[in-house]
Amino acid sequence: SAVISQKPSRDICQRGTSLTIQCQVDSQVTMMFWYRQQPGQSLTLIATANQGSEATYESGFVIDKFPISRPNLTFSTLTVSNMSPEDSSIYLCSVSDRGADTQYFGPGTRLTVL
Amino acid sequence: GNSVTQMEGPVTLSEEAFLTINCTYTATGYPSLFWYVQYPGEGLQLLLKATKADDKGSNKGFEATYRKETTSFHLEKGSVQVSDSAVYFCALKLTGGGNKLTFGTGTQLKVEL
Repeated sequence: SAVISQKPSRDICQRGTSLTIQCQVDSQVTMMFWYRQQPGQSLTLIATANQGSEATYESGFVIDKFPISRPNLTFSTLTVSNMSPEDSSIYLCSVSDRGADTQYFGPGTRLTVL
Repeated sequence: GNSVTQMEGPVTLSEEAFLTINCTYTATGYPSLFWYVQYPGEGLQLLLKATKADDKGSNKGFEATYRKETTSFHLEKGSVQVSDSAVYFCALKLTGGGNKLTFGTGTQLKVEL
């Protein structure tokens, strides 16, 4: 299984600012995903990060609010832009290989917006 | 659409008790089914999976059987330990669905001495 790290592990931010979260994998993977887990709730897929092209966003999520980069097969970033307290969540990166059943998750980034 | 329904928690059990966490699903095709576990302060870990009807996934004493006729994937363990205290998520992935996972709302398990 892949080993996934995320930075930062947690942060407290002021409303109106932006935060970039990094996801690093110890091996090349085809697919990388970003999820949001709001307090006490389940995981919601934000987008699929595509290497070399624009991310594919799920309904309700837009690139202006959650810009994503994926410069290579082991790294991706998610930016939470112009934050509000409603953005307070855990943000998780996950990885998978195309056609594989299993996704592996990073430890998450706990974001609090004041 | 596709969805996963889990029993609400928290579920509180004494150590060595029998555990069942119910999970049912709705899907337009034939999904793969998963249980993920999230220990306090950590990310999700894959606990077990089943990819076709009647398959049984098992790991660390946990089991779940893919029941197509009842569209269910209930999680069971014969004797829980305090260290099993966590949130358990049931999830599905459609074949050809771009690896997208659909999660249930999660069930918190508390095991007491």
